[in-house]
Amino acid sequence: GENVEQHPSTLSVQEGDSAVIKCTYSDSASNYFPWYKQELGKGPQLIIDIRSNVGEKKDQRIAVTLNKTAKHFSLHITETQPEDSAVYFCAAPQAGTALIFGKGTTLSVSS
Amino acid sequence: DTGVSQDPRHKITKRGQNVTFRCDPISEHNRLYWYRQTLGQGPEFLTYFQNEAQLEKSRLLSDRFSAERPKGSFSTLEIQRTEQGDSAMYLCASTITSSITDTQYFGPGTRLTVL
Repeated sequence: GENVEQHPSTLSVQEGDSAVIKCTYSDSASNYFPWYKQELGKGPQLIIDIRSNVGEKKDQRIAVTLNKTAKHFSLHITETQPEDSAVYFCAAPQAGTALIFGKGTTLSVSS
Repeated sequence: DTGVSQDPRHKITKRGQNVTFRCDPISEHNRLYWYRQTLGQGPEFLTYFQNEAQLEKSRLLSDRFSAERPKGSFSTLEIQRTEQGDSAMYLCASTITSSITDTQYFGPGTRLTVL
């Protein structure tokens, strides 16, 4: 089955800096890679996703890159703001059924 | 669109008691997922429904767990004879179609504490 590893587990940046979170996956057949943001007391919320037919996708300050050969994908947040502080999860599909999530990265943005 | 709702938000129970959680997905969403999330971990898949049919169960779903979606709308997750290891956040998510690439919309979760 699919296995997803996520690094780092914690990340502290100054406001305005960039943050990068990386994930690797094991199943070369996986074709969909979402990123979720989870704030305290709330369920995860999708912030961006990428499909395997593209290498990069951007949405304002957030971007995701995918390297299918190396089986890894990364979340990039530019010009970080205090409200970006949260736990971020990457995921990949297992056999087209459910998502397998990484263990999460706690991002802290200090002003 | 009111989003995915879950009830209760918090549940404290004693070991050995039965508990039941409810999930109301977004209207007209065909697929409904249950996940479990423990502290410091990502959500772990438990089971999912396509309309009223339960199509897959994770090995995490022991025989003390049962889930239903009787009319293809809301779903319930019951845990019998709760154990301290069942303490976790139970999350529900729904998607409009059966495609794994559809956005999964999560509810706020039910936090279970087993004493």
